[in-house]
Amino acid sequence: DIQMTQSPASLSASLGETVTIECLASEDIYSNLAWYQQKPGKSPQLLIYDASSLQDGVPSRFSGSESGTQYSLEINSLQSEDAATYFCQQHHDYPYTFGAGTKLELK
Amino acid sequence: QVKLLQSGAALVKPGASVKMSCKASGYTFTDYWVSWVKQSHGKSLEWIGEIYPNSGATNFNEKFKGKATLTVDKSTSTAYMELSRLTSEDSAIYYCTRDTTGIPVGYWGQGVMVTVSS
Repeated sequence: DIQMTQSPASLSASLGETVTIECLASEDIYSNLAWYQQKPGKSPQLLIYDASSLQDGVPSRFSGSESGTQYSLEINSLQSEDAATYFCQQHHDYPYTFGAGTKLELK
Repeated sequence: QVKLLQSGAALVKPGASVKMSCKASGYTFTDYWVSWVKQSHGKSLEWIGEIYPNSGATNFNEKFKGKATLTVDKSTSTAYMELSRLTSEDSAIYYCTRDTTGIPVGYWGQGVMVTVSS
């Protein structure tokens, strides 16, 4: 199975700051990566697909990028509503696998 | 708009089975794969498998073969997942999802909490 190593496990940031969350794939996944946001008690929501494409309705302060097998989610100008857990997922090969998640807290 | 409405929470005894449903609306049910995802308490997500409603074709995570059975009822646009021989390790929230934009897991249902306890 393809392993997705996500970091950090948690982070705390202030309103207006920029944060970056990373996922390292154990092999080439050819940009077949999605990012999800999950708020407490809610279902995950798709933010980014194909590593860098923004899902409809997602604010432009969210962006995705890649470098080799390293994938990043950047959130600019943090808002209070961005407090959530973020997951990456590869869908290049079966079984589709997720990162362990990053819990983002706002100071 | 796309909606996936899942059945209610279930409390089941060890060794028993549970069958949950996912009723789709807002799109042509037979045109999109439906995946199921497990989220254990406080933990990450595991992809269980997927089914293509038009043909019934399935793909599974090896870990869940023999544990999960996926079916659909095209007449009611409903997907089902049955979990068998339940243990405490199966206590979790289970989501049905639909693919979008070529992404297997795009739209999500609200989730079903399954608790396995005697």
